[in-house]
Amino acid sequence: DSGVTQTPKHLITATGQRVTLRCSPRSGDLSVYWYQQSLDQGLQFLIQYYNGEERAKGNILERFSAQQFPDLHSELNLSSLELGDSALYFCASSARGADTNTQYFGPGTRLTVL
Amino acid sequence: EDKVVQSPLSLVVHEGDTVTLNCSYEVTNFRSLLWYKQEKKAPTFLFMLTSSGIEKKSGRLSSILDKKELFSILNITATQTGDSAVYLCAVSMDSNYQLIWGAGTKLIIKP
Repeated sequence: DSGVTQTPKHLITATGQRVTLRCSPRSGDLSVYWYQQSLDQGLQFLIQYYNGEERAKGNILERFSAQQFPDLHSELNLSSLELGDSALYFCASSARGADTNTQYFGPGTRLTVL
Repeated sequence: EDKVVQSPLSLVVHEGDTVTLNCSYEVTNFRSLLWYKQEKKAPTFLFMLTSSGIEKKSGRLSSILDKKELFSILNITATQTGDSAVYLCAVSMDSNYQLIWGAGTKLIIKP
């Protein structure tokens, strides 16, 4: 158990809908990262937040957005969903200090768009 | 462009064999290299390497970094079927906290 929690574990929805994925980082971690992993594909970095502020953006679509709240949990919002958005969405967190590069992953949310 | 390349992309061996997985990188301001194992779930952290020539070891797994030649290897000795997974290599840079990920090596251990 990495200490990173994600909800829900599974989500099934229809095209055009909007969903929100939630992530709670490990206690004390200030950075949160979101990744998308489609079937048999590599990890695609979406976005990073550090202590409530957006730090870096990767291959995140305009239909997707995220935020990190004062209690450091983060939410990833996916809207106008398409079939191709079906994937595993991982959240990871990393610590403040010397070991800032080790990311610890949550169990993921499996999104299925029908 | 910063990149991380892993080889081979896939590997099938028999239980008891020793395997070596490779990760080469080209990044600016290298900070560290990390190895992760991903089974049918989230990646789990294995090693972080920052210095050349210092082997990190955990049970049957070991890894070493060569900062001059810009690569790392992950060795697994006496492989078991439970070692079957995708092994991911990632590199971090001083300029930010993102990780640049390789595509992974899919390792299959046959009984």
